Amino acid sequence: KAGVTQTPRYLIKTRGQQVTLSCSPISGHRSVSWYQQTPGQGLQFLFEYFSETQRNKGNFPGRFSGRQFSNSRSEMNVSTLELGDSALYLCASSLGGEETQYFGPGTRLLVL
Amino acid sequence: QKEVEQDPGPLSVPEGAIVSLNCTYSNSAFQYFMWYRQYSRKGPELLMYTYSSGNKEDGRFTAQVDKSSKYISLFIRDSQPSDSATYLCAMTSNFGNEKLTFGTGTRLTIIP
Repeated sequence: KAGVTQTPRYLIKTRGQQVTLSCSPISGHRSVSWYQQTPGQGLQFLFEYFSETQRNKGNFPGRFSGRQFSNSRSEMNVSTLELGDSALYLCASSLGGEETQYFGPGTRLLVL
Repeated sequence: QKEVEQDPGPLSVPEGAIVSLNCTYSNSAFQYFMWYRQYSRKGPELLMYTYSSGNKEDGRFTAQVDKSSKYISLFIRDSQPSDSATYLCAMTSNFGNEKLTFGTGTRLTIIP
């Protein structure tokens, strides 16, 4: 069974631009969570989608948004990029409601 | 103060040694405790999962939870160079309805 895939793997943007990251969960998984990982703050929860609905949301500004499609694939969007948005963005999928989240390799975003 | 505190290390130990990794937390509602391992340029992978207090053993790995002290540990016996990675603790009060809260991770190096 294929694992969680994320595209692109690396991205360089400049301040003020916007970016869209994509996550394809493991086949059959309906829950997708997004995390931001930085050296100082560690892994911070952004939001979780289940069956196309946002079920949980972390403490990030409204510039961070996401959506989930009917095939469970998910995208996250960051508008008006700031230098501090440089991070590894990870998505994780699960069947929905269980403890085992499977993480993708992440998208490393650098904002210049 | 963060909900979950974890010493970032780095921690270097010789091959074959016993490794002890720890996290403390402040939220008494946490009931589910996990340890993830993250290799460089990869997403985290679930190592161990425990519910409430007690010990759980899986091969060379032992997870320990002391809810009265709000303290969790991961022990690695007979450490191998392949154990070199960043270890993240994570916890939640209720799967499906609540997000995972992660520690910042401890970077571990096993010296051959």
